[in-house]
Formats: sequence, structure tokens, C-alpha cells
Amino acid sequence: DVKVTQSSRYLVKRTGEKVFLECVQDMDHENMFWYRQDPGLGLRLIYFSYDVKMKEKGDIPEGYSVSREKKERFSLILESASTNQTSMYLCASSLPGANVLTFGAGSRLTVL
Amino acid sequence: SQQGEEDPQALSIQEGENATMNCSYKTSINNLQWYRQNSGRGLVHLILIRSNEREKHSGRLRVTLDTSKKSSSLLITASRAADTASYFCAKNSGGSNYKLTFGKGTLLTVNP
Repeated sequence: DVKVTQSSRYLVKRTGEKVFLECVQDMDHENMFWYRQDPGLGLRLIYFSYDVKMKEKGDIPEGYSVSREKKERFSLILESASTNQTSMYLCASSLPGANVLTFGAGSRLTVL
Repeated sequence: SQQGEEDPQALSIQEGENATMNCSYKTSINNLQWYRQNSGRGLVHLILIRSNEREKHSGRLRVTLDTSKKSSSLLITASRAADTASYFCAKNSGGSNYKLTFGKGTLLTVNP
């Protein structure tokens, strides 16, 4: 069964901490994505990557960075977490073309 | 910016009834997709309809697309309690094969 695995389902961090959210896919997909989901706002794209070491900003990249050193792994980094980054973070991957996304189960981050 | 706005925001029906959710968008599309999200989990792809298609079926799901009205609808027939979830439409953004832009979703509750 193909999978996108997010390393942490729930995290609680303090303001100013550096936070790493890890995502691994086993489908050999070129594209990987990080979304955040907030009530009333739906899913918003933070960053995406279409190849190793390649990345593009999504709609809300401020306060985030990403790393894609290997094809199967895409990391989201919060350099200095803030309370307004409390959210559900969803990782996804896809093949190029029709771009059907396979999502991970999500990581719920609370920043105190 | 958000593309793919769902209507209604919430829908409550009885088991056995049909559920219809609508999605509008603003610019041209390559394809439009529907996803389901169970509470607190990641999204699962349901169905994709291309811009040159008008209707598509998958089991109890029927999706229509009207490009002249820039709208799509998802019909779930003979609903079950297990269909209770949030449903999102997602537009493949013009000019890129990478990005999907999601709406805010419709929360469907199917009462037993």
C-alpha cells in the first residue's frame, strides 16, 4: 500500500523554537507539497518541490522554509515558531501531469 | 487566492438520501478534482474530471463539470453514515502541472 508518512501526528512547541516537520513517500513521486489547513480557510499551499533540491513558494511561504535532499523526503521548517503557526500541516505527493495528490495523515502543531 | 469554492459550507442529510455539493471557480482549468477528508485526517482523492469532460462516475459518486459556468458538482447517491466527512474541490492551476488550489470544503453529515 503506497504511503505518505508524516513523522509526527501531534506536536506542542514553544514560541521561538525551531520546528521540523518530516514527510516521506514511498511512491517515487517527483512532486511533493506542504499545505496548512485552518478552520474557515481551507487548505493553503506553503511550498512545493518538483525535484530533488528544487522548491517553489506557494501562497503562504512566509515564516517557513523547506528542504528536499532526497526524492522521498520533504521537510518543512519553522525557523522560529509563532502562535499564528498553530495549525494542521498536510504533506502530499504526486506524479507530474494530472497531479492527483496522495496525502499524509497530517501533523497537528500547537505553538504555545 | 482561493479557487474552488464549495457550496454549501455544511450539509446534513439522512442515510439513503442523495447529497449534492457544488464548486465554483474563477479561471480556466486543466482539470478539477474532488477529495474527501475524515475528521482529523489527511485528504483522499475521489475523482478527477478534465476540462473537456462533462460528467464522470465512480461507484456512488457522480461529478459534473460546466466550464461555461465555471462550476462542478459532486453527487453522492444513497448516502451512508460512513460518508460523513468534509469534501473539497481542487483546481489544477492554469500554467502549472504542479499546483492544486483547494476550496474551503463542504462538511457533510449523514445521520443514521
